[in-house]
Amino acid sequence: DAMVIQNPRYQVTQFGKPVTLSCSQTLNHNVMYWYQQKSSQAPKLLFHYYDKDFNNEADTPDNFQSRRPNTSFCFLDIRSPGLGDAAMYLCATSRGGSAYEQYFGPGTRLTVT
Amino acid sequence: AQRVTQPEKLLSVFKGAPVELKCNYSYSGSPELFWYVQYSRQRLQLLLRHISRESIKGFTADLNKGETSFHLKKPFAQEEDSAMYYCALLNQAGTALIFGKGTTLSVSS
Repeated sequence: DAMVIQNPRYQVTQFGKPVTLSCSQTLNHNVMYWYQQKSSQAPKLLFHYYDKDFNNEADTPDNFQSRRPNTSFCFLDIRSPGLGDAAMYLCATSRGGSAYEQYFGPGTRLTVT
Repeated sequence: AQRVTQPEKLLSVFKGAPVELKCNYSYSGSPELFWYVQYSRQRLQLLLRHISRESIKGFTADLNKGETSFHLKKPFAQEEDSAMYYCALLNQAGTALIFGKGTTLSVSS
């Protein structure tokens, strides 16, 4: 009965090779978030979708893009991964207006070689 | 600036000892604060919110505006409390959470 699913759980990519991480949800929540979490650091919000409206954080690099083709799915695209992009990427969802209560996926650990 | 600070990376206590996980924040206005927890091999999940003033799994947290703190407390730690704890602040727009770096709580017998 997984509610927020992330695939793959582990992803290895080469420096500069585009990579896509996926997230799906069975909660029918309006809002989907993508976070980047580096070792011993706080989860850092990259962007979020409220329904189809995309909201980018001011300091999110252009290298990071996202797509939300429907309510259930959201993708994180890293156009040209650098070594500094190696991290855990967390997807989360919430009901609209309830950003405080987020439901997280298990994360995808990205390694850049 | 909106910021959450958790000064301790690791807190180790013995079973039955009191626990206090520290959280300080920076925010203009009335903050909404939360504690999230991540048990080993589990997902990050909401533990409690300050506005509800409830006790979850024996944990409580009181918002102290004078000290800009929202410390998480439990009078008697249990081994199953061992986890990573994150303090989080709802941003001014109410659209996203700002997390602290987290504190690992280790409870041993």
